[in-house]
Amino acid sequence: DAGVTQSPTHLIKTRGQQVTLRCSPKSGHDTVSWYQQALGQGPQFIFQYYEEEERQRGNFPDRFSGHQFPNYSSELNVNALLLGDSALYLCASSNRGRMNTEAFFGQGTRLTVV
Amino acid sequence: SQQGEEDPQALSIQEGENATMNCSYKTSINNLQWYRQNSGRGLVHLILIRSNEREKHSGRLRVTLDTSKKSSSLLITASRAADTASYFCATGPTGFQKLVFGTGTRLLVSP
Repeated sequence: DAGVTQSPTHLIKTRGQQVTLRCSPKSGHDTVSWYQQALGQGPQFIFQYYEEEERQRGNFPDRFSGHQFPNYSSELNVNALLLGDSALYLCASSNRGRMNTEAFFGQGTRLTVV
Repeated sequence: SQQGEEDPQALSIQEGENATMNCSYKTSINNLQWYRQNSGRGLVHLILIRSNEREKHSGRLRVTLDTSKKSSSLLITASRAADTASYFCATGPTGFQKLVFGTGTRLLVSP
């Protein structure tokens, strides 16, 4: 079981550019959530995808968008990058059909905006 | 904004000692999960405790939950240098909706 995998590991972008981050959930999981973690802080919820739809969203602007594919993998897109978007982006997968089960995280993508 | 807070923010101990971290949260929960994070990388799931449970064990880890006080504690017994990491609690309002994280406790275990 490969667990949750994210790509790329590191990314450097210029302010104003667009970026796409990718996530493959743990085998057997159908729900993907994305989190942003600034340096020294806990992760902040961005949004969650299930059945290829955004089901819940945190307090993030529309510049943050996502997608879930039929194989449950997911993408996070960020447009018009700002310096403040520099952070560790974490993907978590879980099984929506099972109440009170663990969410497993990937290793994250470190995004640096210059 | 963070819902919960971990206490202390930082903890420094010697190998072999026990480490206790506390977490407080604000709203009703279905479960509470503890995670470990090494050097700003991914979160490793440690343990999940449900709202109807009071204590749970996993290896050297012991977690307690007091829903009346909206608090939880994580005890790591006989700590090792490899336990050096940041520890986060995360509350789940339901089984599969968003997790709300605290600010974390940075644990340093010296040989």
